[in-house]
Amino acid sequence: AQKITQTQPGMFVQEKEAVTLDCTYDTSDPSYGLFWYKQPSSGEMIFLIYQGSYDQQNATEGRYSLNFQKARKSANLVISASQLGDSAMYFCAMRGLLQGGSEKLVFGKGMKLTVNP
Amino acid sequence: NAGVTQTPKFQVLKTGQSMTLQCAQDMNHEYMSWYRQDPGMGLRLIHYSVGAGITDQGEVPNGYNVSRSTTEDFPLRLLSAAPSQTSVYFCASTETGAGANVLTFGAGSRLTVL
Repeated sequence: AQKITQTQPGMFVQEKEAVTLDCTYDTSDPSYGLFWYKQPSSGEMIFLIYQGSYDQQNATEGRYSLNFQKARKSANLVISASQLGDSAMYFCAMRGLLQGGSEKLVFGKGMKLTVNP
Repeated sequence: NAGVTQTPKFQVLKTGQSMTLQCAQDMNHEYMSWYRQDPGMGLRLIHYSVGAGITDQGEVPNGYNVSRSTTEDFPLRLLSAAPSQTSVYFCASTETGAGANVLTFGAGSRLTVL
């Protein structure tokens, strides 16, 4: 079974500082993908970054990077130079990538990031 | 370029009433899914489908029915609403198979059961 764990209920960071949001996972799929989504107070779900389990390098998208440690089963999101607009809920998610595997996308409980001026 | 369209955006029901949340996508996505979002619980998968005629249960399927007669539509049915089904519901779709298939979400439907 797939499981995503986000243990930090909330974090506070000063504007322009870097912040790491934790995510650990468990799966029996040999090939899987990890995703991070952002949900601002307006409610929409915004895709941030993706990491495939066989990708050799950590994914980066602008100010977002994913610190992927496969042996530790962790996929932490790093936001560099936080901005006020980064204040939101953040969700880690996972799905299997092989046909016949766990194609459903499962989310963690999320964590709330607040960026202070 | 509509993406994923959910209707209605808001709905109030009385206990025992039935209703259907509609979800339609125009991207020819094979995978469609329904989630509910409750405070402190994140997004929990209700049902999902990997293609027309194929559906499967997610983490919290009880009290909900789905069907997938076409690629475009994936309605979620509440046959006898209960207060525990008060939630925000999201429909989402993507392509199947390997790769960074990012879910496209609808805007959400807020359901209140009295």
